Amino acid sequence: EAGVTQSPTHLIKTRGQQATLRCSPISGHTSVYWYQQALGLGLQFLLWYDEGEERNRGNFPPRFSGRQFPNYSSELNVNALELEDSALYLCADDRGRYEQYFGPGTRLTVT
Amino acid sequence: KQEVTQIPAALSVPEGENLVLNCSFTDSAIYNLQWFRQDPGKGLTSLLLIQSSQREQTSGRLNASLDKSSGRSTLYIAASQPGDSATYLCAVRDSNYQLIWGAGTKLIIKP
Repeated sequence: EAGVTQSPTHLIKTRGQQATLRCSPISGHTSVYWYQQALGLGLQFLLWYDEGEERNRGNFPPRFSGRQFPNYSSELNVNALELEDSALYLCADDRGRYEQYFGPGTRLTVT
Repeated sequence: KQEVTQIPAALSVPEGENLVLNCSFTDSAIYNLQWFRQDPGKGLTSLLLIQSSQREQTSGRLNASLDKSSGRSTLYIAASQPGDSATYLCAVRDSNYQLIWGAGTKLIIKP
């Protein structure tokens, strides 16, 4: 079966702009998780969506937001970009037994 | 509050050796535990999932064990190869189905 997909692969923005990242879970799966991984740092949980609703949110400012669509794909929006937002953004979904699978990530660079 | 610790933070061993990576957690009330590997700049690849009722799981040269009472899991890699070089992360799914992540062990296998 196809895996979790993310787009774009790379995204370059300037400070103050907005970035939109997209994720599609495996067909029929309803959960989407977003993580941020800054260079050399660990995985930081951002957001969890399930069945179209936000279920949990990590310790990030409100300019990080997202949504989940009826087909369970998801968008992560980052407003008023700052240099420290440069990171690898990872999306994941849950398969049976709450086993988490990841997409390839979007590399966001803020200049 | 559940906390997950991985020791050591980095490990370098010669090719062919068997090795053990450690993951400890503070609250034994877990749903499952999952081991991942991450290559530089890439997404995470799921290696093994152990449900709370299980003691171990095996996949090829990998064996993961779980001891809930002591709050420990180990990932055993047999006959290590240079291709095993990566960062290995463990994540605990707590009783509220939240994922709690360790910081990872960076493994280098020297040819």
